[in-house]
Amino acid sequence: QSVLTQPPSVSGAPGQRVTISCTGSSSNIGAGYDVHWYQQLPGTAPKLLIYGNNNRPSGVPDRFSGSKSGTSASLAITGLQAEDEADYYCQSYDSSLSGWVFGGGTKLTVL
Amino acid sequence: EVQLVESGGGLVQPGGSLRLSCAASGFTVSSNYMSWVRQAPGKGLEWVSVIYSGGSTYYADSVKGRFTISRDNSKNTLYLQMNSLRVEDTAVYYCARVRPATLDFDYWGQGTLVTVSS
Repeated sequence: QSVLTQPPSVSGAPGQRVTISCTGSSSNIGAGYDVHWYQQLPGTAPKLLIYGNNNRPSGVPDRFSGSKSGTSASLAITGLQAEDEADYYCQSYDSSLSGWVFGGGTKLTVL
Repeated sequence: EVQLVESGGGLVQPGGSLRLSCAASGFTVSSNYMSWVRQAPGKGLEWVSVIYSGGSTYYADSVKGRFTISRDNSKNTLYLQMNSLRVEDTAVYYCARVRPATLDFDYWGQGTLVTVSS
């Protein structure tokens, strides 16, 4: 059971918009800690996709965006492309656990 | 260019030990926060341990007392000593750099597989 809760899967057709939710608690997201998102393509290491709730590292397309409100956060992907098919993880820090926490991951399928 | 290369994974029996290494290039390990994150087969990501630039270390409850994170400044390398290994420690282990300001993992290695089995 992950500390941050994500839906196991989402899907969308090419060109569509999808969102992935990430729900935490008062000791992590609700405590003001930033939420970050990672993309993991099959057989590869995770890659930082969104940091600090809504910032994109250099090279990440602006089709990817993040938001945070209260104890939850969301990742939005617009203009879905086949290459976006991957697992997506949210991450934050938890003051009660004194450590980093991840969501269980969401598998994105592009139909 | 920042690069992280893990090594040292393999097959070990329950109760055994293994030491993982993570060789860094393009930045100085001792000046950064460095972490280990693992991923069991078909499962999600789990934070394991961190070492701060000042040398403080922290561990997930699941590995506390069994794993030790350390670094060799002269080799610019991060280590994870794993003792009393259990079947449930089977995973790909990634080393990653942590940015102190945001607490995100901005660079990851390719991972090394640890299999604990009799």
